[in-house]
Amino acid sequence: ETGVTQTPRHLVMGMTNKKSLKCEQHLGHNAMYWYKQSAKKPLELMFVYSLEERVENNSVPSRFSPECPNSSHLFLHLHTLQPEDSALYLCASSQDLGSITDTQYFGPGTRLTVL
Amino acid sequence: KQEVTQIPAALSVPEGENLVLNCSFTDSAIYNLQWFRQDPGKGLTSLLLIQSSQREQTSGRLNASLDKSSGRSTLYIAASQPGDSATYLCAVRVDTGRRALTFGSGTRLQVQP
Repeated sequence: ETGVTQTPRHLVMGMTNKKSLKCEQHLGHNAMYWYKQSAKKPLELMFVYSLEERVENNSVPSRFSPECPNSSHLFLHLHTLQPEDSALYLCASSQDLGSITDTQYFGPGTRLTVL
Repeated sequence: KQEVTQIPAALSVPEGENLVLNCSFTDSAIYNLQWFRQDPGKGLTSLLLIQSSQREQTSGRLNASLDKSSGRSTLYIAASQPGDSATYLCAVRVDTGRRALTFGSGTRLQVQP
């Protein structure tokens, strides 16, 4: 059973809505990640946080806004999304970004549909 | 820019067969390579991690090899079972300032009883 939880599991929203995705890790890890998985495309890294500091922003549009209030929680705030943003959003965590053996543990994902 | 390719995209085999999934990457300067499993509607589960200095890793019926110089990895599954049916993803962690994972598109495996 994964130590990374995500809520909600499913979300349907209109293009003018504002919503937030939540991720929580119970593993005592220091790094957290947001990935996007679209149909027929590889997983794409969106953001990386290490010790609550954003260390990577992979050219993500500003309509996606991450927040990491502490090392256990990660949010993705959504506003004025477009239908092509519909995808599975996966959260992950890992112990130490700097370690060569660092392994990422993934949550179950939030299936987002933008109407 | 690192690119990861997985072949085949889909594979269907009868139960009991041994099989090989392939992964190739364009930039050999990597920290490590990981194989993940993804079941429908679920997140990813890490199967094996091979450090850049290693040649292979084994876990139960799974064996992953790494040939860093040629940019290739294989995942060998022995005596496949219906429970092995899932999508298998290969991911590399690059040896530059960008340390997060670059994924392939995956191989969707179906093991028929």
